[in-house]
Amino acid sequence: EAEVAQSPRYKITEKSQAVAFWCDPISGHATLYWYRQILGQGPELLVQFQDESVVDDSQLPKDRFSAERLKGVDSTLKIQPAELGDSAMYLCASSLSGVGNYGYTFGSGTRLTVV
Amino acid sequence: GEDVEQSLFLSVREGDSSVINCTYTDSSSTYLYWYKQEPGAGLQLLTYIFSNMDMKQDQRLTVLLNKKDKHLSLRIADTQTGDSAIYFCAESNPDAGNMLTFGGGTRLMVKP
Repeated sequence: EAEVAQSPRYKITEKSQAVAFWCDPISGHATLYWYRQILGQGPELLVQFQDESVVDDSQLPKDRFSAERLKGVDSTLKIQPAELGDSAMYLCASSLSGVGNYGYTFGSGTRLTVV
Repeated sequence: GEDVEQSLFLSVREGDSSVINCTYTDSSSTYLYWYKQEPGAGLQLLTYIFSNMDMKQDQRLTVLLNKKDKHLSLRIADTQTGDSAIYFCAESNPDAGNMLTFGGGTRLMVKP
């Protein structure tokens, strides 16, 4: 069964350091999403890509977060500098473009702890 | 903006039915979803319902949608200990790029 791959699985970093997460969506999925899930809450969208273009990054803290999907396939989410409040699970998901009834397929996530 | 609300916690005995409830505010929602999240894992899509339906059944899962009241429920028949997890409802709106808006999750605990 096709999966969304994410790495690393866990990341511990000191505040003010830079950290990056990687996501490889299911082959053929044009839409890619990064969500942040704070412990005890539901996921919240950070950024949505359609192929290599950003569709929605209105909730992305652009002073410290950046995301790219240069070739329209895999994607990287970066935080620089990391803050204590960034500790969360970062989930990547992908879906077939414009097909709402499939929902998304989520990766297993990267759990970030900022110390 | 969109808002999705769920109760925080539900406890049932093994073999009983579980009903997890969700309310949403966006009348433009086209699809509504239920996801399951086990500890430390990503989200697994359980089932979904199109907004012009009022019921969908899939094995032990029954989804009921009351579009007038914007109320969604997930019934799990013959609940097992392996069903213990956090359940999230979510809505999508094609006018918002099919972005999913999630509720805060309901933690289901199944007692043997």
